[in-house]
Amino acid sequence: DTAVSQTPKYLVTQMGNDKSIKCEQNLGHDTMYWYKQDSKKFLKIMFSYNNKELIINETVPNRFSPKSPDKAHLNLHINSLELGDSAVYFCASSQVASGFYNEQFFGPGTRLTVL
Amino acid sequence: GEDVEQSLFLSVREGDSSVINCTYTDSSSTYLYWYKQEPGAGLQLLTYIFSNMDMKQDQRLTVLLNKKDKHLSLRIADTQTGDSAIYFCAETSSGYSTLTFGKGTMLLVSP
Repeated sequence: DTAVSQTPKYLVTQMGNDKSIKCEQNLGHDTMYWYKQDSKKFLKIMFSYNNKELIINETVPNRFSPKSPDKAHLNLHINSLELGDSAVYFCASSQVASGFYNEQFFGPGTRLTVL
Repeated sequence: GEDVEQSLFLSVREGDSSVINCTYTDSSSTYLYWYKQEPGAGLQLLTYIFSNMDMKQDQRLTVLLNKKDKHLSLRIADTQTGDSAIYFCAETSSGYSTLTFGKGTMLLVSP
């Protein structure tokens, strides 16, 4: 009955490799997000999708490419991994109501370590 | 752009009250939130307040909002060791209702 799930939970890889992180939500939400949390616990929005359409794309290198095959899934593909990509990546989802109330439900995170 | 600031660390003893403070710059903020992140886990919404309210109480949690000073606080009464976590302040104001998070306050509760 997990609301927002991510796989894998841990990912250790070499510099230069390409990797993907998958996210699924079973809450029926229209909007999904990817966040990056660095070693100091700072949380930054990377992307947001609404009904499979990209609505937010912060200043993220184009090595990062999100893909939303349907509104319950938002995957993150990263090309040519760099040391600075090491972080915890969180997926989240929300049903944005009128008046801007936006409770986001977070996945458990994927800890990416680039060696 | 919008900015949300928090102090980074707070240490209290079990049974004391904890007060975590947050300031924000966007005067058009409509909702303000407190999220909790336990070690190794994702963020979870604790409580929120609408911008036309001054105070909201929910069991051991009290949220105070001073809209004039753009200051938000979270008070946890009778703090327990299980309250040890990182607490994030966040606000929404934009058309797509994105959340702008503060940098988080690590609360450490000692027995």
